[in-house]
Amino acid sequence: GAVVSQHPSWVICKSGTSVKIECRSLDFQATTMFWYRQFPKQSLMLMATSNEGSKATYEQGVEKDKFLINHASLTLSTLTVTSAHPEDSSFYICSARAGGTSGSYEQYFGPGTRLTVT
Amino acid sequence: GQQLNQSPQSMFIQEGEDVSMNCTSSSIFNTWLWYKQDPGEGPVLLIALYKAGELTSNGRLTAQFGITRKDSFLNISASIPSDVGIYFCAGQERRGNEKLTFGTGTRLTIIP
Repeated sequence: GAVVSQHPSWVICKSGTSVKIECRSLDFQATTMFWYRQFPKQSLMLMATSNEGSKATYEQGVEKDKFLINHASLTLSTLTVTSAHPEDSSFYICSARAGGTSGSYEQYFGPGTRLTVT
Repeated sequence: GQQLNQSPQSMFIQEGEDVSMNCTSSSIFNTWLWYKQDPGEGPVLLIALYKAGELTSNGRLTAQFGITRKDSFLNISASIPSDVGIYFCAGQERRGNEKLTFGTGTRLTIIP
């Protein structure tokens, strides 16, 4: 149980275009989803926290108009990288938190999406 | 954003050896987590710690929540080839705040 999928697993796009990445919780309902970015040989950096039915909360330094997050249902959150530039090339990973005690540890991570902007 | 400091940054060991790594923070965390990440994959949870001083095992893995709440340790006994990967600690500052802060990672390589 507790499987999180991401689609696509990798994507190449041209500079200036927009790319949408999906994060799905396959066998549980996720009230909260998180989006991380990981550059090569670096750690995961939280970009934003997404709660179903409400606006995402972005971390300091993350442009909300560039990284659009939508959490329209309890099993799906999307991250859209708008007007992508080569410096946006990175590994994007989502995680989903199952219901339960607030602050509990049950965050399940997706397999990641490799974005390359040419 | 804030990061936790992990050491060592990388380790080169022989199969069968024991491994120790640690994670330190300047601030207190109420939950410590240890993850393993394989290349091109998302992190997988190994061990979760909830109380200062707690010692928890998961097979050959043992992790401890530091008394000061500012550090944690992970030990791997009798390493095997599938232990290769990057290990990350992560901390959660307080109950009700679900955000995870990740460590800088320890890359484990097993020398044949």
